[in-house]
Amino acid sequence: QKEVEQNSGPLSVPEGAIASLNCTYSDRGSQSFFWYRQYSGKSPELIMSIYSNGDKEDGRFTAQLNKASQYVSLLIRDSQPSDSATYLCAVPNNNDMRFGAGTRLTVKP
Amino acid sequence: GAVVSQHPSRVICKSGTSVKIECRSLDFQATTMFWYRQFPKKSLMLMATSNEGSKATYEQGVEKDKFLINHASLTLSTLTVTSAHPEDSSFYICSATRGVKEKLFFGSGTQLSVL
Repeated sequence: QKEVEQNSGPLSVPEGAIASLNCTYSDRGSQSFFWYRQYSGKSPELIMSIYSNGDKEDGRFTAQLNKASQYVSLLIRDSQPSDSATYLCAVPNNNDMRFGAGTRLTVKP
Repeated sequence: GAVVSQHPSRVICKSGTSVKIECRSLDFQATTMFWYRQFPKKSLMLMATSNEGSKATYEQGVEKDKFLINHASLTLSTLTVTSAHPEDSSFYICSATRGVKEKLFFGSGTQLSVL
């Protein structure tokens, strides 16, 4: 089992819709979780971090964490074409960060 | 947020030459820096973990003699691709962190093309 798993997509949503991105992780002891956005040809940029069970909202982004189910998700409300990118789930592992394969999101105008 | 500078952003070189990529944390001391490579439409692949003043820890399958990593200070790590070949062409990205299990800050990446 991979340490961090994501559905690679592609995920396509219409403009204005809610995009839901999911991630599962294998290490039950993980305490922190990150979502990064990566545009084609660019390096990843941090958009959300979450440490406690429940929801964390930041503008149009909501991260959801369920440690019992080892599941973390990212919701993007009112999706815009500029949100089209690959979204990477990341979970620290000892001395480094483990990334999922990424979910490619396309928001269609 | 913290700033990590990486350069060059793009380099084209001839087969057999060596290329050095620099990664600097501009406004914080990075206890650890990481080097990744990424092929088109693929995920990040961790190559090595670099701690200041000590030898880098390489991931399985990464040739340490080919990808030389030097972490001379808490703000600078370099990756040298030695005797580059076309199959080394890739997007190389560095990242830095203030501490274990903390968020990563990424450099802007280096697109290496070996002719």
